[in-house]
Amino acid sequence: DAGVTQSPTHLIKTRGQQVTLRCSPKSGHDTVSWYQQALGQGPQFIFQYYEEEERQRGNFPDRFSGHQFPNYSSELNVNALLLGDSALYLCASSFSGGDAFFGQGTRLTVV
Amino acid sequence: EDQVTQSPEALRLQEGESSSLNCSYTVSGLRGLFWYRQDPGKGPEFLFTLYSAGEEKEKERLKATLTKKESFLHITAPKPEDSATYLCAVQAAPGGSYIPTFGRGTSLIVHP
Repeated sequence: DAGVTQSPTHLIKTRGQQVTLRCSPKSGHDTVSWYQQALGQGPQFIFQYYEEEERQRGNFPDRFSGHQFPNYSSELNVNALLLGDSALYLCASSFSGGDAFFGQGTRLTVV
Repeated sequence: EDQVTQSPEALRLQEGESSSLNCSYTVSGLRGLFWYRQDPGKGPEFLFTLYSAGEEKEKERLKATLTKKESFLHITAPKPEDSATYLCAVQAAPGGSYIPTFGRGTSLIVHP
């Protein structure tokens, strides 16, 4: 079992650009959640996808959007990048909202 | 609003020196309290889920306990490889926000 996989592992973007991060859930999991983790902070919930629909959303602007595909994989899109968007982006998967398992994260740096 | 406070922020131990990490929480109704271990630059690794006061779970040198207001992660005879940041999170029961809320973590360093 490969567990939760995220790509890319590292990314450098310029202010104003757009970025897409990808996540493949653990085998058997149907729910994907995305988190943003700034240095020295705990993960902050962005949104959760279940059955290809956004089920819950945290306190993030509309610049953050996502998608879940029929195979349960997911994408996180961020438009009009700001310096403050620099962080570790984490994907977590679960089965029907149960115990969540995280991927290794994508380190996004905005310059 | 759900809140999670972890203490201490940082903890330094000698190898074999047992200690406890604290997670205090405020939530309208608790569905679950989660403990994770996170190594630098990596994603959190799932450790335990606790559901009700009085519940305890163990894994190797770690033992997690839960009361109605806080959880403890006890580390018995720690080794240098236990060095990591330990994160606590709570999830409200249906009718609540259902959005997991994380604390800022406790950074543990175990010296040989």
